[in-house]
Amino acid sequence: GESVGLHLPTLSVQEGDNSIINCAYSNSASDYFIWYKQESGKGPQFIIDIRSNMDKRQGQRVTVLLNKTVKHLSLQIAATQPGDSAVYFCAETRSLNTGFQKLVFGTGTRLLVSP
Amino acid sequence: DGGITQSPKYLFRKEGQNVTLSCEQNLNHDAMYWYRQDPGQGLRLIYYSQIVNDFQKGDIAEGYSVSREKKESFPLTVTSAQKNPTAFYLCASSASLTEETQYFGPGTRLLVL
Repeated sequence: GESVGLHLPTLSVQEGDNSIINCAYSNSASDYFIWYKQESGKGPQFIIDIRSNMDKRQGQRVTVLLNKTVKHLSLQIAATQPGDSAVYFCAETRSLNTGFQKLVFGTGTRLLVSP
Repeated sequence: DGGITQSPKYLFRKEGQNVTLSCEQNLNHDAMYWYRQDPGQGLRLIYYSQIVNDFQKGDIAEGYSVSREKKESFPLTVTSAQKNPTAFYLCASSASLTEETQYFGPGTRLLVL
């Protein structure tokens, strides 16, 4: 079936390094993608989003890249800080015939940042 | 957590007991959602509501019930029919069902005694 998945369950980096978190999706009809950050014991926090008519979008220290050819999404975090340690989820939206934009989540990647 | 509150933070349920999780939002959002999160897994949709007095089953609605009597509130009841209720429960809201971006509350962890 269709799914949103992640290549690596855990990513360990040193403080100051750049981090890249990857996500694969299988529904070529998806037209909107979101990255969420979830700290331990807390709810997911919106980081950045991108629509399928874009290849790249930048925020503060974060960049999302979308490669529709291979159905791949990545989140790049520049100058990673200890406060970036969390689980990162990608999510895609799938339109139901009711118009409901359903979010489908991947299983998440844990980012560990060492000082 | 963007104006969405959930209570309690931790909840303990005895076997055969129904428990209710609270979710309130002050974002003036029409749509609200409940998700379940198990360790090492993504979020799974339990129920969603696009407007007061209307709600729909998500992917794993069995053993759960909801109500939407007020725009700001969307409580979730975990009934005794839910045989594996231990999980982290997350409430979310969005401006409407056709608005893709959802904002999440801090979550309630439910444990079975």
